[in-house]
Amino acid sequence: GAVVSQHPSRVICKSGTSVKIECRSLDFQATTMFWYRQFPKQSLMLMATSNEGSKATYEQGVEKDKFLINHASLTLSTLTVTSAHPEDSSFYICSALGVPEQYFGPGTRLTVT
Amino acid sequence: GENVEQHPSTLSVQEGDSAVIKCTYSDSASNYFPWYKQELGKRPQLIIDIRSNVGEKKDQRIAVTLNKTAKHFSLHITETQPEDSAVYFCAASKGSNYQLIWGAGTKLIIKP
Repeated sequence: GAVVSQHPSRVICKSGTSVKIECRSLDFQATTMFWYRQFPKQSLMLMATSNEGSKATYEQGVEKDKFLINHASLTLSTLTVTSAHPEDSSFYICSALGVPEQYFGPGTRLTVT
Repeated sequence: GENVEQHPSTLSVQEGDSAVIKCTYSDSASNYFPWYKQELGKRPQLIIDIRSNVGEKKDQRIAVTLNKTAKHFSLHITETQPEDSAVYFCAASKGSNYQLIWGAGTKLIIKP
């Protein structure tokens, strides 16, 4: 299957700071990428759909000004958690759409102290 | 909107026995049904998928069945092994955006 990388794998930041997570499709061009968050022992929750060259589409209840998504190229999408708070601590996972399959990155464990 | 229900939430089977996980979906327009395996702290990995024009698909010890009329699909794992222990998620999608609607997950425990 296709390879999707995500960086960083783990990050600890202080409350009020911003954190950027990168998602890269290494061996194919992904017009569409998805961002999820996952709490312990729960399913994946779709946050937004990221389309190259256009604004992301956010799911209901997800603050677009807090979770900034940029999909500037066919191989890179970024998620920036702005003014992070402890409740933002979670496992964030991206995926790249290979139609119809989604190829997942390894995830980023964010801890906000 | 689409809703996917998954049962059971936890399944414990003896090594070598079969395991069956079931999902139902609500939107009859859904046409793609993947199953993902996720180990603790790792990414979900696709193990098998099925499209709505097929009733069954098999890949070695893993099979998926789809009943469009009843709107349910199932994952079957035969001759279970310890490395099958993980959380399994079903999902459904449709149309042009390919967004996945996820089930709640099933924790599969293989007892030695």
